Amino acid sequence: NAGVTQTPKFQVLKTGQSMTLQCAQDMNHNSMYWYRQDPGMGLRLIYYSASEGTTDKGEVPNGYNVSRLNKREFSLRLESAAPSQTSVYFCASRRPDSTEAFFGQGTRLTVV
Amino acid sequence: RKEVEQDPGPFNVPEGATVAFNCTYSNSASQSFFWYRQDCRKEPKLLMSVYSSGNEDGRFTAQLNRASQYISLLIRDSKLSDSATYLCAVTRNSGNTPLVFGKGTRLSVIA
Repeated sequence: NAGVTQTPKFQVLKTGQSMTLQCAQDMNHNSMYWYRQDPGMGLRLIYYSASEGTTDKGEVPNGYNVSRLNKREFSLRLESAAPSQTSVYFCASRRPDSTEAFFGQGTRLTVV
Repeated sequence: RKEVEQDPGPFNVPEGATVAFNCTYSNSASQSFFWYRQDCRKEPKLLMSVYSSGNEDGRFTAQLNRASQYISLLIRDSKLSDSATYLCAVTRNSGNTPLVFGKGTRLSVIA
């Protein structure tokens, strides 16, 4: 089982550029999440999708958009990247009846 | 006040020591509680869930105190391989609501 797969693993963007972070899970999970992790700040929720066709804002949604393309895929888009969006981004998924969230390996994004 | 707060650490302990981490949560509606482990430059992975009656998994013991709204993790006989960041997480139910994480506590076990 691949679990949760994120692409790319590393990315450098210039300020103002756009990009989409891809996330796919093969565990048939309903819920998917995007977190960012910054030094000293822990994991902060950006957006989540409780089920296919629904998305909700988390703690730090500004500057991001998401798409739940189907049950497997949940993408995160930065329309106009800013240096403040330099971070490690983690995608996660979870079954409704499960307590455990499974994480992808992360995307290290640097905005210069 | 942040919803989930942890001792920031770092905790530097010798091999064989016992170390305890605490985590407080502010939302009394929280129902499910977890400890995750995160190795350097890796993704978080579930270490253990925390049950009302407390639970143990080998050298690891997790406890929940609903009245005081905190959870704890005790590691006995620390190993070098226990060096990592430990994140507590809470959620309002085990359904679709997101996990809210603490900032994590870094543990270094020293030979």
